[in-house]
Amino acid sequence: GQQVMQIPQYQHVQEGEDFTTYCNSSTTLSNIQWYKQRPGGHPVFLIQLVKSGEVKKQKRLTFQFGEAKKNSSLHITATQTTDVGTYFCAYYGGATNKLIFGTGTLLAVQP
Amino acid sequence: NAGVTQTPKFRVLKTGQSMTLLCAQDMNHEYMYWYRQDPGMGLRLIHYSVGEGTTAKGEVPDGYNVSRLKKQNFLLGLESAAPSQTSVYFCASSSTGTRSETQYFGPGTRLLVL
Repeated sequence: GQQVMQIPQYQHVQEGEDFTTYCNSSTTLSNIQWYKQRPGGHPVFLIQLVKSGEVKKQKRLTFQFGEAKKNSSLHITATQTTDVGTYFCAYYGGATNKLIFGTGTLLAVQP
Repeated sequence: NAGVTQTPKFRVLKTGQSMTLLCAQDMNHEYMYWYRQDPGMGLRLIHYSVGEGTTAKGEVPDGYNVSRLKKQNFLLGLESAAPSQTSVYFCASSSTGTRSETQYFGPGTRLLVL
């Protein structure tokens, strides 16, 4: 069955450093969504990628969808303390054909 | 416009007790979902609803029941709570269930079963 791995599980950076999290699938994905969850908060939608090779930017965040639509990445340039939280990728699939979330990457930013 | 709200925010149960979690949305969304979030496992879909009066099983439905009597409300019931059901429960809604749809999440209910 379709499996998506999200790496790393945890990353600790100094404020100002860059950060990247990866979402890797064993099969082709129709699209992929990214969510952010602040500590103690709830997931909040960031973006959706649909096209092969698609790149989208939101200020310091850059999202990419691989050419084969099997992987995606979220890159944050010059992290800030407000970037702290867990970043999830999510895709539609599985037996229910509903949104399936990756295990998430917890980002800690030291001032 | 409150979005998605959940009641209660936090609850402690003893094994075998029952409780109902309430989710309400004011966005007139058709689809509603219940997820549980456990450390290191992301969010897993428990049950979902594609409209008033309908429910369907998700990835981890055992031990839970749901009802959608009104479009704006989605109830999650635990008939006989077990320690394995200690988790954070999130409700979400979306306008439709299409693959391009964004889901909007409630603030969560933290449940501890002793």
